[in-house]
Amino acid sequence: AQSVTQLGSHVSVSEGALVLLRCNYSSSVPPYLFWYVQYPNQGLQLLLKYTTGATLVKGINGFEAEFKKSETSFHLTKPSAHMSDAAEYFCAVSTSFSGGYNKLIFGAGTRLAVHP
Amino acid sequence: GAVVSQHPSWVICKSGTSVKIECRSLDFQATTMFWYRQFPKQSLMLMATSNEGSKATYEQGVEKDKFLINHASLTLSTLTVTSAHPEDSSFYICSARGRDLREKLFFGSGTQLSVL
Repeated sequence: AQSVTQLGSHVSVSEGALVLLRCNYSSSVPPYLFWYVQYPNQGLQLLLKYTTGATLVKGINGFEAEFKKSETSFHLTKPSAHMSDAAEYFCAVSTSFSGGYNKLIFGAGTRLAVHP
Repeated sequence: GAVVSQHPSWVICKSGTSVKIECRSLDFQATTMFWYRQFPKQSLMLMATSNEGSKATYEQGVEKDKFLINHASLTLSTLTVTSAHPEDSSFYICSARGRDLREKLFFGSGTQLSVL
């Protein structure tokens, strides 16, 4: 069975500071990994995903994440936070394209606050 | 980008009544829709998967007679919570995908259900 753990339900950073949101997963098969963002009153939007190939994945809005198999991690980072990055972030895992690619297992989410 | 509209955004109902939540894909054909539920401080949990014109597939532990899912068209899926009880109070989110398994998921903005 797959599972996702997001460390820290709330993270607060200063504008311009590094953003680091942690995600660890458990999967008995090679995982597909995702980060979604949810702004207030909106649906979840895909930030980035890892399927195969390069382990450092770049997404929208300057975010990137690195798949580290040895650490079973997929942490999300952004070098410089912007006020508009304040939102809820969800890490998710799936197992395969054909076997339920979109059957996602989500973490509990991390709320990111950015202060001036 | 593609949009999924979910209504209502919040609903309060009395115990024992039924509540219907709608999920519409506005500019694409949603051959598959997913319904998730999220309790406070917990992960989004997949409840069921529905393919247009077919019966929904429910996850283990989800009562299919309580959570009725209808996906009668390529643009509309509904979730009806029948005989709602306070323990059904939760945040419900739908997501939709087109025919290609590798296509992105598009999420609705969610429905907060409170059962008194």
